[in-house]
Amino acid sequence: DVKVTQSSRYLVKRTGEKVFLECVQDMDHENMFWYRQDPGLGLRLIYFSYDVKMKEKGDIPEGYSVSREKKERFSLILESASTNQTSMYLCASSPPEGNHNEQFFGPGTRLTVL
Amino acid sequence: RKEVEQDPGPFNVPEGATVAFNCTYSNSASQSFFWYRQDCRKEPKLLMSVYSSGNEDGRFTAQLNRASQYISLLIRDSKLSDSATYLCVVNESGGSYIPTFGRGTSLIVHP
Repeated sequence: DVKVTQSSRYLVKRTGEKVFLECVQDMDHENMFWYRQDPGLGLRLIYFSYDVKMKEKGDIPEGYSVSREKKERFSLILESASTNQTSMYLCASSPPEGNHNEQFFGPGTRLTVL
Repeated sequence: RKEVEQDPGPFNVPEGATVAFNCTYSNSASQSFFWYRQDCRKEPKLLMSVYSSGNEDGRFTAQLNRASQYISLLIRDSKLSDSATYLCVVNESGGSYIPTFGRGTSLIVHP
């Protein structure tokens, strides 16, 4: 059974803290994605990666960075958390383009920044 | 970036009803299309892909109209368990592969 896991379901941090959100997939997928989901705004792409050590900015990369040192792991980093980064964060992975392209999502991390 | 538009709803229908959602996309070069389902407080999961010829999976039918740049999802004989948010997803291909999600359409099926 395919699986994408995220390090935490719920996280509470303080303004200014550095926050790490981890995502691991066991499907040997090349593509990995980080989204945030907010009421009324839907899923917005923060960063994505096609391969190890490769990253591309999505629609809203400001205030975030990512790391992909291993194929199965894609980390989202909030360098200095702010209250407007309170959100649900979803990680996803997918096989390379040309295949079915289904995205498999992790269960999400609900982050609250106080 | 290119847009994917959906009516947010909610669509409030009785059990057994037929309901249809549309989704429009702005990028005529889009190559692949999907409907995802997201239950409350859960992650999105693929419901079905949308093929040019249209496709059916049980009570669900998806259609693509490239000329008018929209896709549709038809649900027949609605069940209470169909209550969820339905997300339209459009992929470009060639070069950067970036899926674009619509904001979702909320469906509530009541007894």
